[in-house]
Amino acid sequence: QSVLTQPPSASGTPGQTVTISCSGSSSNIGSKTVNWYQQLPETAPKLLIYNSAQRPSGVPDRFSGSKSGTSASLAISGLQSEDEADYYCAAWDDNLNGPLFGGGTRLTVL
Amino acid sequence: EVQLVESGGGLVQPGRSLRLSCVASGFSFDDYGMHWVRQAPGKGLEWVSSINWNSGNIGYGDSVKGRFTISRDNAKNSLYLQMNSLRAEDTALYYCVKTYSGWSSASFDSWGQGTLVIVSS
Repeated sequence: QSVLTQPPSASGTPGQTVTISCSGSSSNIGSKTVNWYQQLPETAPKLLIYNSAQRPSGVPDRFSGSKSGTSASLAISGLQSEDEADYYCAAWDDNLNGPLFGGGTRLTVL
Repeated sequence: EVQLVESGGGLVQPGRSLRLSCVASGFSFDDYGMHWVRQAPGKGLEWVSSINWNSGNIGYGDSVKGRFTISRDNAKNSLYLQMNSLRAEDTALYYCVKTYSGWSSASFDSWGQGTLVIVSS
């Protein structure tokens, strides 16, 4: 099964704003909502953004999501060292009849 | 507090079978769709299988279709994954995952700690 397309890496300095992109197609992002997950080293993924732009309780408002057409983005403002992690986008895919994940983006805080 | 506890992983030879289990607590298990998601060492997340609340809607990723079978027992708050004809490429950490917002949303708010499956001779 194919994956949603994310850049393999991203970086920023503390306090900066970093944006991670996620590209898909009409069968997934184009017709479904997008979710974003943060995976800290040696831990299970954590839901950061659901329904493309909503944050679950407890997720800081430094994290924001957006979607346009067949692409989505995760923005992290006021970058902190603890944001260093892998980030994955995910969307349901109508052809797969299941969720499709992005390949993941490793964020480094310089 | 939601808890998902997987078990059943281990070292298995290619071609053999393994059954994973996940016991859920802290929420109404029979109200939610459940999923298995895996992560090979050093790799990204891959969807394995999903089952809705009453087992009426089931799906599998292309790489496991025909070899893996997902099931659930709502009376036991348990999710299962029967894995047959295992291959080296099935080596991964298998997560039990709970749906957060809607069946076809790909939003998962609770993940277990994972159970490691290693397929090797």
